[in-house]
Amino acid sequence: DAGVIQSPRHEVTEMGQEVTLRCKPISGHNSLFWYRQTMMRGLELLIYFNNNVPIDDSGMPEDRFSAKMPNASFSTLKIQPSEPRDSAVYFCASIDRAGELFFGEGSRLTVL
Amino acid sequence: EDQVTQSPEALRLQEGESSSLNCSYTVSGLRGLFWYRQDPGKGPEFLFTLYSAGEEKEKERLKATLTKKESFLHITAPKPEDSATYLCAVGGKSTFGDGTTLTVKP
Repeated sequence: DAGVIQSPRHEVTEMGQEVTLRCKPISGHNSLFWYRQTMMRGLELLIYFNNNVPIDDSGMPEDRFSAKMPNASFSTLKIQPSEPRDSAVYFCASIDRAGELFFGEGSRLTVL
Repeated sequence: EDQVTQSPEALRLQEGESSSLNCSYTVSGLRGLFWYRQDPGKGPEFLFTLYSAGEEKEKERLKATLTKKESFLHITAPKPEDSATYLCAVGGKSTFGDGTTLTVKP
């Protein structure tokens, strides 16, 4: 299995631009999670989906952030408009039946 | 609100020098205590799940233990390749500690 696949691995953009991060979970995993990791705040859960339905989005910082999961094999996290404080590594993870999280390699976002 | 505190923040060991990492937690109902390893530039990698006090799990030089309020990750005779950040989490998905960065010198 290829594992959780995220793209892009690196994104550099200017303040005000739209950013879209993509994730393909492991086939057969029914839940998908988006995390953000920074030095200051560590690893924070942004949102998670179960069977493609958003269950808890209380970690989404503000209305500039949105996430979708149109099918079991694809999810997006969108930031519009982006701000410098959004600079972080964004991880996607899916979970197996034992409750073990499998993380992708992350998308490193830099907003100038 | 679930809370997870890890200590120490950083730990430097000589190769072969055993030690322990601590993860203290407060949760309304424990649905698992998870340990992960994270290498620089990579996503966290699952190590162990513990569900009940007294439970222990081992993998190579690592052993994880659990009490009602904390978990320990014991590292026996570490090697330089054990250098990484070790994260613990409760609930299986939502609340992570800040991690302990372990450096093992040859």
